Amino acid sequence: NAGVTQTPKFQVLKTGQSMTLQCAQDMNHEYMSWYRQDPGMGLRLIHYSVGAGITDQGEVPNGYNVSRSTTEDFPLRLLSAAPSQTSVYFCASSSRGEQYFGPGTRLTVT
Amino acid sequence: SQQGEEDPQALSIQEGENATMNCSYKTSINNLQWYRQNSGRGLVHLILIRSNEREKHSGRLRVTLDTSKKSSSLLITASRAADTASYFCATDEDNFNKFYFGSGTKLNVKP
Repeated sequence: NAGVTQTPKFQVLKTGQSMTLQCAQDMNHEYMSWYRQDPGMGLRLIHYSVGAGITDQGEVPNGYNVSRSTTEDFPLRLLSAAPSQTSVYFCASSSRGEQYFGPGTRLTVT
Repeated sequence: SQQGEEDPQALSIQEGENATMNCSYKTSINNLQWYRQNSGRGLVHLILIRSNEREKHSGRLRVTLDTSKKSSSLLITASRAADTASYFCATDEDNFNKFYFGSGTKLNVKP
């Protein structure tokens, strides 16, 4: 099993550009989440999903969209990148409470 | 929003000593979890304790939960240099696997 995979690992965007961060899991977990982690901080929940076709907002959803068309994939879209979105983004999946995290995407918006 | 807060923010100890870090949260929870994050890496799940449990052990880890005080503690016994990392607590209040993380305790174990 690959677990939770994220692409890309690094990305630099200009203000106003859009992009999609990819996340996939092969553990057949129903729950998936996106977090951002700013320097020296804990993780903040952006969006989460309790199953295919079902998504909901977390603590900091503004500027981000998600969709969950399959159990395996949970992409995060930045609609119009802003410098405040410079962060490390983590995707996680879970089944019975224990979360498995991907390696993260380090995003810089200039 | 529900959020755990860890204390202390930073802890420096010698190898072989015990390390204790605490987590406080605001509202009722279904479970509380502890995670470890090595520098620049993703988080690794350490232990989950449910709201009806008071103590749990896993190897050198011991977690306690006091729901009346809305607090939890993580004890790492006989610490090793490899335990150097940041440790986070995360709470799940409604059992929808929607987690809120604290800002973490940065543990440095000196060889």
